[in-house]
Amino acid sequence: EAGVTQFPSHSVIEKGQTVTLRCDPISGHDNLYWYRRVMGKEIKFLLHFVKESKQDESGMPNNRFLAERTGGTYSTLKVQPAELEDSGVYFCASSLLGGGSDEQYFGPGTRLTVT
Amino acid sequence: QKEVEQNSGPLSVPEGAIASLNCTYSDRGSQSFFWYRQYSGKSPELIMSIYSNGDKEDGRFTAQLNKASQYVSLLIRDSQPSDSATYLCAGYNAGNMLTFGGGTRLMVKP
Repeated sequence: EAGVTQFPSHSVIEKGQTVTLRCDPISGHDNLYWYRRVMGKEIKFLLHFVKESKQDESGMPNNRFLAERTGGTYSTLKVQPAELEDSGVYFCASSLLGGGSDEQYFGPGTRLTVT
Repeated sequence: QKEVEQNSGPLSVPEGAIASLNCTYSDRGSQSFFWYRQYSGKSPELIMSIYSNGDKEDGRFTAQLNKASQYVSLLIRDSQPSDSATYLCAGYNAGNMLTFGGGTRLMVKP
């Protein structure tokens, strides 16, 4: 069974540009999460989809970030326009059931560098 | 105060020894806890989950949860150099989001 995949693995963009990150969850997982780790900090929650619906987007830092999950399969996270503080590693995770005991499986992450 | 706290390490243990990794949390409402292992540049890999007070064993790994003391630990028996990685403690509180500690770097020396 394929795990969570993310694309690209690494992106370097200039301040003000736009970047779109993609996540493909484990097949059959309705729950999809985005997390971010900035340099020297812990991994932080961004948002949670259940199928195509946003269940919780309380961790999204501002309106420069837009996440979508059309059709309830893969998800994209767009940053527009990118700022220097957006640099970090963006992880996607998926889980089968959701809920407080459900195990989340992580992808390899996309390392975003904004210069 | 961080919601989930870990000593950043590095924790250095000799090969074959027991490695003890610790985590404390501030939210008494947290119900479930998870240990992830992360090799440099790789994805966090789920290795243990624990939902109730006490110990849970899986192979060389034992997770311990003490809700009264708000304390979670991971013991790795017979540590191997391949266990050298960063270990992340995470808990669920309200909602479905995981709250992570900063991770503890473990070094197992041959």
